[in-house]
Amino acid sequence: EAEVAQSPRYKITEKSQAVAFWCDPISGHATLYWYRQILGQGPELLVQFQDESVVDDSQLPKDRFSAERLKGVDSTLKIQPAELGDSAMYLCASSAGSGTGEQFFGPGTRLTVL
Amino acid sequence: EDQVTQSPEALRLQEGESSSLNCSYTVSGLRGLFWYRQDPGKGPEFLFTLYSAGEEKEKERLKATLTKKESFLHITAPKPEDSATYLCAVQANSGYALNFGKGTSLLVTP
Repeated sequence: EAEVAQSPRYKITEKSQAVAFWCDPISGHATLYWYRQILGQGPELLVQFQDESVVDDSQLPKDRFSAERLKGVDSTLKIQPAELGDSAMYLCASSAGSGTGEQFFGPGTRLTVL
Repeated sequence: EDQVTQSPEALRLQEGESSSLNCSYTVSGLRGLFWYRQDPGKGPEFLFTLYSAGEEKEKERLKATLTKKESFLHITAPKPEDSATYLCAVQANSGYALNFGKGTSLLVTP
């Protein structure tokens, strides 16, 4: 069964350090999303890609966060420098087509900033 | 602004005790309403998509329904393995991002 892959599963870092997360969507899915989920809350969208283009990054803190999907397949989300408030689960999701319909989530990366 | 409110925040049921979870929403044009299940430390698992008022979908012990203002997730004769957080999300016609509620944490005891 096709799945969204993410790595690492867990990351512990100190504040002011740089961190990067990787996501490989379900094969053939053109739309890729990065969400952030704080404990006890629902996921919140950070950035959406259609193929290699950013469709929505209005909620991405661009002073410290960046995201890319260079070849329209896998994607990397980077935080530099990390802050204590960035501790959360970072979820990647993908969907077929232009973004309507079901979004399938990966297992997430749990980030702890000390 | 789109808003999704789930209730109750937490629910404890005995095995076999049926109940319903509520998802109230306000959105400027609904493209779809989604239900997900999330186990601790894992990503959300897709359950259902509902597109229009009156629509219903079923999967095993779960049944989702939709009106113009809310959706219900009915759980019939739950089992301990149904314990999880259930998330509701709306997708507006104006975009593709899912706007999630905070979820309902369900615990089913034997």
